[in-house]
Amino acid sequence: GENVEQHPSTLSVQEGDSAVIKCTYSDSASNYFPWYKQELGKRPQLIIDIRSNVGEKKDQRIAVTLNKTAKHFSLHITETQPEDSAVYFCAASGTGGGNKLTFGTGTQLKVEL
Amino acid sequence: EAGVAQSPRYKIIEKRQSVAFWCNPISGHATLYWYQQILGQGPKLLIQFQNNGVVDDSQLPKDRFSAERLKGVDSTLKIQPAKLEDSAVYLCASSSGLAGPGETQYFGPGTRLLVL
Repeated sequence: GENVEQHPSTLSVQEGDSAVIKCTYSDSASNYFPWYKQELGKRPQLIIDIRSNVGEKKDQRIAVTLNKTAKHFSLHITETQPEDSAVYFCAASGTGGGNKLTFGTGTQLKVEL
Repeated sequence: EAGVAQSPRYKIIEKRQSVAFWCNPISGHATLYWYQQILGQGPKLLIQFQNNGVVDDSQLPKDRFSAERLKGVDSTLKIQPAKLEDSAVYLCASSSGLAGPGETQYFGPGTRLLVL
């Protein structure tokens, strides 16, 4: 089955700096890669996603890049703000087993003033 | 549009007791998922329904966990008997079921279970 690894497990940045979170996946058939943000005690919320036919996608301060050859994808947050502080999860989904998402272990991002 | 609803939000039970969780997906969503999220980890899929049929239950501990979605709308997840290691947040998610692989999954607020 799919295996997703995520690094780092914790990340602390100063407000206004950029933050990068990286994930690798094992199943070359995976073709959908969403990123979820989860604030303490709340539900995971989709913030951006990318499909395997695209190398990069941007939405305001958030961008995701995908390298299919190396089987890794990254989340980039620019001009970080205190409200970006949360746990971020990457996930991967393949063509088999329905729409099953395999999640990474999460990155606790802390944006300090 | 109303989101995914779950109840109860919190549950505390003793080991060997039974517990049930309820989920109401977004209206019209054909696909429903139950995930288990242990503290400090990412969600892990337990079971996926397409309408009232099971698509994937490969990671469901079937000796103690069961789930059903009899009318293809609401779903219940049951644990019987509970073990200490079942302490986790149980998340329900739904997706339209129309777009195929890679369609967005929307999560409910979760049920936080503590087994003592």
